Amino acid sequence: NAGVTQTPKFQVLKTGQSMTLQCAQDMNHNSMYWYRQDPGMGLRLIYYSASEGTTDKGEVPNGYNVSRLNKREFSLRLESAAPSQTSVYFCASRPDTEAFFGQGTRLTVV
Amino acid sequence: DQQVKQNSPSLSVQEGRISILNCDYTNSMFDYFLWYKKYPAEGPTFLISISSIKDKNEDGRFTVFLNKSAKHLSLHIVPSQPGDSAVYFCAARRPYLYMRFGAGTRLTVKP
Repeated sequence: NAGVTQTPKFQVLKTGQSMTLQCAQDMNHNSMYWYRQDPGMGLRLIYYSASEGTTDKGEVPNGYNVSRLNKREFSLRLESAAPSQTSVYFCASRPDTEAFFGQGTRLTVV
Repeated sequence: DQQVKQNSPSLSVQEGRISILNCDYTNSMFDYFLWYKKYPAEGPTFLISISSIKDKNEDGRFTVFLNKSAKHLSLHIVPSQPGDSAVYFCAARRPYLYMRFGAGTRLTVKP
């Protein structure tokens, strides 16, 4: 039972490069989320998808795009990476109340 | 706009004693509150929650208290164990909306 799976686990990008963070869940949850964790800031929501085919901005959406490919998969894209996007990124899915998180992607932009 | 606040970045307690982690919120529309635990290099895991219509919820060694008038909740861990050493995040949710998280409190339980 995998739960929420994120790939990759680690990534180093140069400023201006693009990349896509992948997330898949096997729990048949409707809602999926992308958070970033920064020291002293906790977890801040980037984008979320309440159901397949819908996406909405969270607290810090600038510089990111998302795609809800199907019910299982929710990807996060950085079109032109900036050093300010150095962070740990977490994907989560939620059936109703508590959310289930992936193990995270540690991204460094140099 | 930090609607959920954990003002103590760290807490250190002795094994066997009580750990009390605090959380304050500003939005009276929050209807559900959660605590998550996070170990290094892992994702947060759900620990315990409480609905806004209750003032206490207990699960084994973990108890969450909610004081709506003060917009304050706390997590009590009794007795504390070294394996409880982790970062604890408080989260709050408005109906049909996403959760907002606090900055986290790093708990260290000393043997």
